[in-house]
Amino acid sequence: EDQVTQSPEALRLQEGESSSLNCSYTVSGLRGLFWYRQDPGKGPEFLFTLYSAGEEKEKERLKATLTKKESFLHITAPKPEDSATYLCAVRSYGNNRLAFGKGNQVVVIP
Amino acid sequence: EAEVAQSPRYKITEKSQAVAFWCDPISGHATLYWYRQILGQGPELLVQFQDESVVDDSQLPKDRFSAERLKGVDSTLKIQPAELGDSAMYLCASSSQMGADEQFFGPGTRLTVL
Repeated sequence: EDQVTQSPEALRLQEGESSSLNCSYTVSGLRGLFWYRQDPGKGPEFLFTLYSAGEEKEKERLKATLTKKESFLHITAPKPEDSATYLCAVRSYGNNRLAFGKGNQVVVIP
Repeated sequence: EAEVAQSPRYKITEKSQAVAFWCDPISGHATLYWYRQILGQGPELLVQFQDESVVDDSQLPKDRFSAERLKGVDSTLKIQPAELGDSAMYLCASSSQMGADEQFFGPGTRLTVL
């Protein structure tokens, strides 16, 4: 069974204070790892897909990286509008189901 | 920009009542998903459709939940009877084809069962 563990569960950052979120995963064969952003009371918003170890993707202040066991979402010089819950999910080969972690709740203080 | 539509956004019901949620996926998306998200948890898949056919409903509590996508476009998820433990956010997502990487989520329906 595919499993995803995210840490830390919650994180408070000062505006401009860079940090990283961790997503550890266990799958039989990784087809893809996904990062979503979710604002309170809303549906998840797609951010990135990573396919193989060593791959990196960037979007504004966010950068996602992937190893064989985990993924990191780096937030550089965050702003208050980056406050959200960041969800990590994996899909294994032969399975269309996404397995989500519980999320990293990020609060950026002005 | 195309979006997944869901209604209602909020639903309050009493236990043992029936509730129904509606989802309209992005136009042209063949694959539709229903997820349940309990507060503080990640979404969990309930049912997946490819066009009008169910391809995965292994996590759907079939004694009380049902889902249909009769014409392969919009979909309805029903709960009858609702139980206290069903209180959650019900999310609909769609993707262009089965196995497509990106799933696009709707705003969700927040269900409260009293």
